Amino acid sequence: NAGVTQTPKFQVLKTGQSMTLQCAQDMNHNSMYWYRQDPGMGLRLIYYSASEGTTDKGEVPNGYNVSRLNKREFSLRLESAAPSQTSVYFCASSDLRDTQYFGPGTRLTVL
Amino acid sequence: GENVEQHPSTLSVQEGDSAVIKCTYSDSASNYFPWYKQELGKRPQLIIDIRSNVGEKKDQRIAVTLNKTAKHFSLHITETQPEDSAVYFCAAIWTGGSYIPTFGRGTSLIVHP
Repeated sequence: NAGVTQTPKFQVLKTGQSMTLQCAQDMNHNSMYWYRQDPGMGLRLIYYSASEGTTDKGEVPNGYNVSRLNKREFSLRLESAAPSQTSVYFCASSDLRDTQYFGPGTRLTVL
Repeated sequence: GENVEQHPSTLSVQEGDSAVIKCTYSDSASNYFPWYKQELGKRPQLIIDIRSNVGEKKDQRIAVTLNKTAKHFSLHITETQPEDSAVYFCAAIWTGGSYIPTFGRGTSLIVHP
């Protein structure tokens, strides 16, 4: 059981470039989430998917898009990266009313 | 929406002392309260949780208490060790609704040997 996996682990982009962060879970969870973590700000929800086929905005969705590809995979796309999107991104999954399990994170720097 | 406040933001203790981190929440519908530990450069991991039908829960040196009337819950760590040094996050969730957790901003616990 790998749990929640994310790729890549590190990424450096130039302003205006695009990229997709990948997330997969093998725990058969219905719900998946994308967070960003900035110093002193805790974990802020970008988008979530309560179940396969649905996605909803979280607290800070601007500049991001998501795709729930199937029950296992949930990707986060930055269409035109900005320096303000420099952050650590965590994917998480849960079985609705249970606790969340986090991936190892992606450290993104936008120059 | 739910709002969770966490205090203190930084807590420095000597090895062997106790540490207490407090969180307050605003939405009385919240009924599930997990605590996460995040070591430097690692992912947040669940260390203990409590549901609203329970007032206290213990797991070895860690305990969590919940006061639903006052809408606050606390993490207690006894006999702290250097490996307890990490950032701790609380969260509040309404499992009957959107099951989206609202996180506190975190407490950086430093345990000095």
